[in-house]
Amino acid sequence: DTEVTQTPKHLVMGMTNKKSLKCEQHMGHRAMYWYKQKAKKPPELMFVYSYEKLSINESVPSRFSPECPNSSLLNLHLHALQPEDSALYLCASSQDRLAAQTEQFFGPGTRLTVL
Amino acid sequence: RKEVEQDPGPFNVPEGATVAFNCTYSNSASQSFFWYRQDCRKEPKLLMSVYSSGNEDGRFTAQLNRASQYISLLIRDSKLSDSATYLCVVNIGNQGGKLIFGQGTELSVKP
Repeated sequence: DTEVTQTPKHLVMGMTNKKSLKCEQHMGHRAMYWYKQKAKKPPELMFVYSYEKLSINESVPSRFSPECPNSSLLNLHLHALQPEDSALYLCASSQDRLAAQTEQFFGPGTRLTVL
Repeated sequence: RKEVEQDPGPFNVPEGATVAFNCTYSNSASQSFFWYRQDCRKEPKLLMSVYSSGNEDGRFTAQLNRASQYISLLIRDSKLSDSATYLCVVNIGNQGGKLIFGQGTELSVKP
C-alpha cells in the first residue's frame, strides 16, 4: 500500500493564526519530506526528515516549523504566515533518503490559503 | 542553466497518437531518474523509475542515456486519461535524497 495521507485537505487561515498540517504513512518508510508547490510550478523542497531527525532545511522561514513525532508522522506547524505562503503543501515519504533509486511517494496535499 | 530541463510544451495531440517527452540534466553525478505525472490540483504520482537499460510499462517506455545526460518518455496510443503534466525528476545522490524537478511538460490528449 503506497499511501501517504494528509490532513486537512484545505485550510484557510489569517496571518495571525497558528495551525498545523499533518502527514502520515504506514509503509515503514524512514524518510519524510515537506514540499511547497505554487500553481504551474514544480514542487519545491522545504524539509527532509530521516529516521525522525531533521536532515535538510532548505532555508525555510521560521514561520514554518516541522516536527516528526515518530517514524509514521510528520507535522508542519504554521504561524504568522504571509499571503504569498498560499500554496499546495505536499508531504512525501521514501524508504530511505540515501538509497539509490529510492522513489518518493506523495500525499494528496493540503491547499493552504492565507488571508 | 537549470539542473533539469524539459520540453516547454504544452503538447496537444489526438487520441491514439504517439508522443515523446525529452529531458536533460546537468549534473553527471545524478544517480536515479523518474517520471512523475501530475493531474490538475492533485499530487505528483510516480509513473516510472528510469533504468540504464531502458524500461517499458504497457504503453509507456522510458530511456536513459547517461553519456548525453538525457532521459525520455514515450507514450504510445495516447488516451484522454493521459492528459496531465509530466515531471522529469532526478536524484543527484550526493544531496541527501533531494529530488530535482524539471518544470514539467503539459500534455493534452483530444478526442
